[in-house]
Amino acid sequence: DAGVTQSPTHLIKTRGQQVTLRCSPKSGHDTVSWYQQALGQGPQFIFQYYEEEERQRGNFPDRFSGHQFPNYSSELNVNALLLGDSALYLCASSSDVWNEAFFGQGTRLTVV
Amino acid sequence: GQNIDQPTEMTATEGAIVQINCTYQTSGFNGLFWYQQHAGEAPTFLSYNVLDGLEEKGRFSSFLSRSKGYSYLLLKELQMKDSASYLCAVRHPLDNYGQNFVFGPGTRLSVLP
Repeated sequence: DAGVTQSPTHLIKTRGQQVTLRCSPKSGHDTVSWYQQALGQGPQFIFQYYEEEERQRGNFPDRFSGHQFPNYSSELNVNALLLGDSALYLCASSSDVWNEAFFGQGTRLTVV
Repeated sequence: GQNIDQPTEMTATEGAIVQINCTYQTSGFNGLFWYQQHAGEAPTFLSYNVLDGLEEKGRFSSFLSRSKGYSYLLLKELQMKDSASYLCAVRHPLDNYGQNFVFGPGTRLSVLP
């Protein structure tokens, strides 16, 4: 079992650009959540996808959007990148409401 | 809103016992989690408490007191590989579906030989 996989592992973008990050959930999982983790901080919940719909959302602006595909994989899109968007972006998946969430290793985004 | 506090850093010696404390304030309690995160790696699940008391799992134990808004993670027989950040998290009170965690800042534990 490959677990939760994310791509790319590292990314450098210029302020104002747009970026797409990808996540494949653990086999058998249908729910995907995205988190932003700034250096030295705990992760912050961005949003969650289930059945190809955004089901929950944290306190992030509309520049952050996402998508879930029929195979349960997911994308996180960030438009009009700011320097403050530099962070580790984590994807987590689970198979049921109260089950343990499994995290991917993340994508390190640097905005210059 | 929700607020979670943890010590930023702790240091302990190999073979010793260390207790990492976590205090939380939340408008509705829905469970508390501990995750371990090695540098550059994914957070991995350690424990889940929803009722008061101690949950033991091998070298790791987690305690919860809901009335005090307090939890701790106890690590026994410390090993060098336990050097990592330990994240305390509660479910968001409006989380009806799971995975909507509110994380603390994490405690970076260094285990010295």
